[in-house]
Amino acid sequence: AQSVTQLGSHVSVSEGALVLLRCNYSSSVPPYLFWYVQYPNQGLQLLLKYTSAATLVKGINGFEAEFKKSETSFHLTKPSAHMSDAAEYFCAVSDSGYSTLTFGKGTMLLVSP
Amino acid sequence: KAGVTQTPRYLIKTRGQQVTLSCSPISGHRSVSWYQQTPGQGLQFLFEYFSETQRNKGNFPGRFSGRQFSNSRSEMNVSTLELGDSALYLCASSPTRTGANEQFFGPGTRLTVL
Repeated sequence: AQSVTQLGSHVSVSEGALVLLRCNYSSSVPPYLFWYVQYPNQGLQLLLKYTSAATLVKGINGFEAEFKKSETSFHLTKPSAHMSDAAEYFCAVSDSGYSTLTFGKGTMLLVSP
Repeated sequence: KAGVTQTPRYLIKTRGQQVTLSCSPISGHRSVSWYQQTPGQGLQFLFEYFSETQRNKGNFPGRFSGRQFSNSRSEMNVSTLELGDSALYLCASSPTRTGANEQFFGPGTRLTVL
């Protein structure tokens, strides 16, 4: 069975500071990993995905994530936070057989001026 | 291309009633999945349909059911509503069932059970 753990239900940063959102996964097969963002009263939007090509994945809005198999991690980073980054972020995993996503509990990113 | 659409956006029902939610996937997408989002349980997978057949099902009671039509549109039904069914129900579509595919999410249907 797959599972995803996101450390920290809330993360607060100042505008311009580094954003680091943590995600660890458990999977018995090589996983596909995703980060989605959800703004209030909206659905989920894909930020980036890892599908066994490059371990450093670049996504939209300046976000990137690094797949580390030895640490079973897929942390999301952004060098400089912007007020518009305030939202809830979800890490998710799937395997090759199904498109079903298993999500983490989510991390709410708060950005202060 | 138009995105995933869900109707209605908001619903208020009372306990014991039943409800049907609708999802229209992106044109050409054949896989449709449903997820329930609540503050306590987070995002949980309900079921997935592909080519009008349920391919995968999450751990939900039989009160939750769904179907997919030949044009890939999907509906989910919840019978005998309970207070705990209050949630945001999200529909997602993808071109095929491969796990590497991005799933495109609709805006969701907010169901409130009184």
